[in-house]
Amino acid sequence: GESVGLHLPTLSVQEGDNSIINCAYSNSASDYFIWYKQESGKGPQFIIDIRSNMDKRQGQRVTVLLNKTVKHLSLQIAATQPGDSAVYFCAENRHSGGGADGLTFGKGTHLIIQP
Amino acid sequence: DTEVTQTPKHLVMGMTNKKSLKCEQHMGHRAMYWYKQKAKKPPELMFVYSYEKLSINESVPSRFSPECPNSSLLNLHLHALQPEDSALYLCASSLWGGVGQETQYFGPGTRLLVL
Repeated sequence: GESVGLHLPTLSVQEGDNSIINCAYSNSASDYFIWYKQESGKGPQFIIDIRSNMDKRQGQRVTVLLNKTVKHLSLQIAATQPGDSAVYFCAENRHSGGGADGLTFGKGTHLIIQP
Repeated sequence: DTEVTQTPKHLVMGMTNKKSLKCEQHMGHRAMYWYKQKAKKPPELMFVYSYEKLSINESVPSRFSPECPNSSLLNLHLHALQPEDSALYLCASSLWGGVGQETQYFGPGTRLLVL
């Protein structure tokens, strides 16, 4: 089965509120995680990443939290704006043994911003 | 600049046609990837190239043939495709410092329709 998954397929929030998107992973050996944003008709856009030796990482308006104990990842978006409407994917590096690796993506969450 | 370009943007082909998808990056990245994304699904890894050598093939049917002529270019040759191969084909690249924890940057994709 998939090693990375999401709890909610759709999340609707009011403009200006904070959003939290969750992701569960099953491979305890995973050591690198990325959040991507994908707008309609476009490719995935890098938002933020985190390595397994960290619990939290902050970017501009975004924060990623990693809980290795329960194998859970979350993306927090502060003060959501209409431009944040998109599908958000978490992804893990497959770590198949050295060298360039592909990514395994979660199912995705569609974030809808209500005016 | 984190730009990966893909051509064409859209492609319609018959099941007996031969066509090619092209991907280009000028970031000095030495790892390049092909992913396939069906509607409302996450991207799925197809191929990985490292230093112009094919390092991962995710059991992709032989009607898809990748090629990496040089470190900046990645092609995907298509022949005798089936209608179920219709999807968004995404190219990505990463630095590949060999530590397996690298951000992958995606192009906008080629939307393929097989009739």
